[in-house]
Amino acid sequence: ETGVTQSPTHLIKTRGQQVTLRCSSQSGHNTVSWYQQALGQGPQFIFQYYREEENGRGNFPPRFSGLQFPNYSSELNVNALELDDSALYLCASSLEVGGLNTEAFFGQGTRLTVV
Amino acid sequence: KQEVTQIPAALSVPEGENLVLNCSFTDSAIYNLQWFRQDPGKGLTSLLLIQSSQREQTSGRLNASLDKSSGRSTLYIAASQPGDSATYLCAAMDSSYKLIFGSGTRLLVRP
Repeated sequence: ETGVTQSPTHLIKTRGQQVTLRCSSQSGHNTVSWYQQALGQGPQFIFQYYREEENGRGNFPPRFSGLQFPNYSSELNVNALELDDSALYLCASSLEVGGLNTEAFFGQGTRLTVV
Repeated sequence: KQEVTQIPAALSVPEGENLVLNCSFTDSAIYNLQWFRQDPGKGLTSLLLIQSSQREQTSGRLNASLDKSSGRSTLYIAASQPGDSATYLCAAMDSSYKLIFGSGTRLLVRP
């Protein structure tokens, strides 16, 4: 059973550019959530996908968008990058939404630096 | 709006000491509470999950408790080791199944 994997691990982009981050969920997990973690802070919820549909969104602007694919892997896209978007982006998968199988398993994260 | 607070922000203890990390939340209507460990620059490792109907969970030297009525959870680490040095994060899952995190407690266990 493979865990949650994210790519790339590190990325440097210029302000105004666009970026796509990728996440492969743990085997059998149909729910993927994305979080942004600024230095010294706890992660902040961006959005969640359940069976390819968005299932909740945090307080992030529309330039943050996402997708979930039929194999339950996911992408996070950020347009018009700003310096404040520099952070560790974390992907988490869980077996299901609701019920007793909501334990979140996180990937190693993608460190995005916007210059 | 759910808010999660962790105290203390940082803790330094000698090896072998038993310690308690605290987590408080403002809205008792949580789905579950999860404790994580994070090493510098790395992702989160799940340590313990307590369902809202449970009072505690144990894994090895770790024990987590949950008191929904007072809005508190504690993580107890027995016989601490230098390898336990990391940031510990608690997160409350709300009714929409998203995790609300505290800012973490940075733990240093001195040899």
